[in-house]
Amino acid sequence: GNSVTQMEGPVTLSEEAFLTINCTYTATGYPSLFWYVQYPGEGLQLLLKATKADDKGSNKGFEATYRKETTSFHLEKGSVQVSDSAVYFCALNGDKIIFGKGTRLHILP
Amino acid sequence: KAGVTQTPRYLIKTRGQQVTLSCSPISGHRSVSWYQQTPGQGLQFLFEYFSETQRNKGNFPGRFSGRQFSNSRSEMNVSTLELGDSALYLCASSLGSSYNSPLHFGNGTRLTVT
Repeated sequence: GNSVTQMEGPVTLSEEAFLTINCTYTATGYPSLFWYVQYPGEGLQLLLKATKADDKGSNKGFEATYRKETTSFHLEKGSVQVSDSAVYFCALNGDKIIFGKGTRLHILP
Repeated sequence: KAGVTQTPRYLIKTRGQQVTLSCSPISGHRSVSWYQQTPGQGLQFLFEYFSETQRNKGNFPGRFSGRQFSNSRSEMNVSTLELGDSALYLCASSLGSSYNSPLHFGNGTRLTVT
């Protein structure tokens, strides 16, 4: 069946550092891929999405490219801020949505 | 536009009791799905409803059930509560039945079973 694997956290970085959170998937067909973010005490919010191979999703300085050849959808940001501290979930939507375990990100001022 | 509203925010129940959680989707959204979030298992899909019909179901026991009303509001019921049911329960709505539709989540109901 379909599955999503993302790097375990927590990830701790200093402000303005470069961020990569790895996400790989296993799926049949051509699923859509998403990154969601969860701030403390809140539900998840869509961060970005990509619906087909080579699509790049971007939002708030974050980017991720749908790589079918490597079955990956890694999240990147060039310069993180303290306000980016949250839990990030990679997700795949085939016949139903499957989430990765989440990666907690701490940004130090 | 109002977001997804879940009530109540917090619940404390004892083992063996039952509980009903409520979710009001964004206006115009016809799909509502439910998730259980725990530190150990992460986010797990419970079920999805579209136009009052259950469209998909995760791997949870029959104690977990749900329904959707004609106004798209949804309820989730858990009977014979167990300690392991303690979790954050998230509801999400989306515009329609599409692999591309992003989910809009509520802030969740935190259930504690003692």
